[in-house]
Amino acid sequence: AQSVSQHNHHVILSEAASLELGCNYSYGGTVNLFWYVQYPGQHLQLLLKYFSGDPLVKGIKGFEAEFIKSKFSFNLRKPSVQWSDTAEYFCAVIRQTGANNLFFGTGTRLTVIP
Amino acid sequence: GAVVSQHPSWVICKSGTSVKIECRSLDFQATTMFWYRQFPKQSLMLMATSNEGSKATYEQGVEKDKFLINHASLTLSTLTVTSAHPEDSSFYICSAPQTGYNEQFFGPGTRLTVL
Repeated sequence: AQSVSQHNHHVILSEAASLELGCNYSYGGTVNLFWYVQYPGQHLQLLLKYFSGDPLVKGIKGFEAEFIKSKFSFNLRKPSVQWSDTAEYFCAVIRQTGANNLFFGTGTRLTVIP
Repeated sequence: GAVVSQHPSWVICKSGTSVKIECRSLDFQATTMFWYRQFPKQSLMLMATSNEGSKATYEQGVEKDKFLINHASLTLSTLTVTSAHPEDSSFYICSAPQTGYNEQFFGPGTRLTVL
């Protein structure tokens, strides 16, 4: 069965620290990959997505992610976090063929300390 | 980008009553919509796939008689929680893929509290 795993459940960083959140998926076919952010009390927002092409994708608010096909990974990075980045981050995968529902990871809670 | 709305955004009801949640795609047509449930501090779990003009497809463990889904038009899907109980209290989120885009657009969610 297809699954998405996020290794870090809760990450606490000081402002200006660098961030990397891990995401791995288990599916042998071609997939599209997403990172969503959910700020406290708000709905899901798309941070960035990968469909094809350059495996290093840039999203909003200074976030980027790198797709490494051989490792089935799509890690999220940001060189310098801000207090306003405090949120829940979800990695999600969708198969390019077949059912078009998203599979979500369990989420990573990021707390940035001012 | 495409917009998906949900109504209501928050509902409180008594145990045993039924609650209807609407999901609308505002500027595009969606033959398929997805319903998710998110418990506090947990990830989104797919409940069912709503298909316009046909029966919904439910995920394993989701009671189809309790969570009634109707996809009446290309822009509207409804989720009715029948005979709600406190354990049904959760955040319900719908999403819809826009034709030609392999991406989901999410509604803002509906917080259900069952007393």
